[in-house]
Amino acid sequence: QSALTQPASVSGSPGQSITISCTGTSSDVGKYNIVTWYQQHPGKAPKLMIYEVNRRPSGLSNRFSGSKSGNTASLTISGLQADDEADYYCSSFADSPTFVVFGGGTKLTVL
Amino acid sequence: EVQLVESGGGLVQPGRSLRLSCVTSGYTFGDYGVSWVRQAPGKGLEWIGFIRNKRYGGTTEYAASVKDRVSISRDDSTSVAYVQMNSLRKEDTAVYYCTRVYGSGTFMPDYWGQGTLVTVSS
Repeated sequence: QSALTQPASVSGSPGQSITISCTGTSSDVGKYNIVTWYQQHPGKAPKLMIYEVNRRPSGLSNRFSGSKSGNTASLTISGLQADDEADYYCSSFADSPTFVVFGGGTKLTVL
Repeated sequence: EVQLVESGGGLVQPGRSLRLSCVTSGYTFGDYGVSWVRQAPGKGLEWIGFIRNKRYGGTTEYAASVKDRVSISRDDSTSVAYVQMNSLRKEDTAVYYCTRVYGSGTFMPDYWGQGTLVTVSS
């Protein structure tokens, strides 16, 4: 069982928006603004999409955005494209001795 | 271009040891920490440990699940990071990723290697 809870799957049609939630506790997501989101295509390494809750790496599309409220972080992808179909993982810094926790991953299907 | 390339994976018997290497390039290795993350086949990501850069003492932190069996080290002269894994178990079977950590105290990866597969089986 993963430390952070994500829905197993979400889906949307091209052009639509979807949101993936990531629920933790007051010892991780709720306490630290160090929440990251990763995209992973099959057979590939994860790629950083969002860091520090809502910051995008240089060059990343602004279709990807992050937010946090209490113990729950969220990733929103707007204007869905076929290439967005992938697994998405959230992660958070956490109190010692845990330090880093991941969500179980969410499979995004673009219909 | 930031690059991390892992090596050293393969088939290993239960109870044996293995050392994975991570050769990095494209950035000043000594300025960044390194986290190792693994992914069992068909499963999610699991952080296993982190080494700080020398400015912050080069000290390490480990996940409780591997703490007594894993050791992470670094050689700033060659820009290489290592993870030594002892007393391997079947449940250690996974792709092991070397990652560059952004920020001074986040432990969180920004760049990832392509991963190296470790299979623990008799």
